[in-house]
Amino acid sequence: GENVEQHPSTLSVQEGDSAVIKCTYSDSASNYFPWYKQELGKRPQLIIDIRSNVGEKKDQRIAVTLNKTAKHFSLHITETQPEDSAVYFCAAHTGGFKTIFGAGTRLFVKA
Amino acid sequence: GAVVSQHPSWVICKSGTSVKIECRSLDFQATTMFWYRQFPKQSLMLMATSNEGSKATYEQGVEKDKFLINHASLTLSTLTVTSAHPEDSSFYICSALPGLTQYFGPGTRLTVL
Repeated sequence: GENVEQHPSTLSVQEGDSAVIKCTYSDSASNYFPWYKQELGKRPQLIIDIRSNVGEKKDQRIAVTLNKTAKHFSLHITETQPEDSAVYFCAAHTGGFKTIFGAGTRLFVKA
Repeated sequence: GAVVSQHPSWVICKSGTSVKIECRSLDFQATTMFWYRQFPKQSLMLMATSNEGSKATYEQGVEKDKFLINHASLTLSTLTVTSAHPEDSSFYICSALPGLTQYFGPGTRLTVL
């Protein structure tokens, strides 16, 4: 069935360094890939998204890349700050309304 | 962005009782809403897709008689956990789709004693 794999499960970086989270998806019909940030006890919040007809998208310190051939997409956070510490989920929107989420990456940014 | 509210934000109940959770889209109409549960340090697990005016679609392994879903209007979906047990304790989150992007409610933390 449809599946999204996310790595790493935990990532610890020094403040100011970059963080990269990678995901792969199984359904080649997936056409939309959002990334969510979830702080402890709160709702997931959309931080960036990319559609299948685009290879890269950037929003200030956050960028997402998509390789449709390999069915990979990645989140890049540059100049990390302590407030970036959270759990990040990638997701793939399949045909219809279904969105499949990755298992999440717990990011720790050390000051 | 779109706003989704959820009520209550937390609830504690006794084993065997039923609990109703409401999910509302405040500034858009949602023919489809989703219900997820999330255990500590785990991902979002889709329980069911709620369709306005028709029956919900449940994911494999989710008991439809235990988790009753009603989507009676374009802005409201409800999830009722019937005969709750301690293993039903979890964080329940709803979401709605004004377009491609899902917007999540703030979640309901259910604790069953």
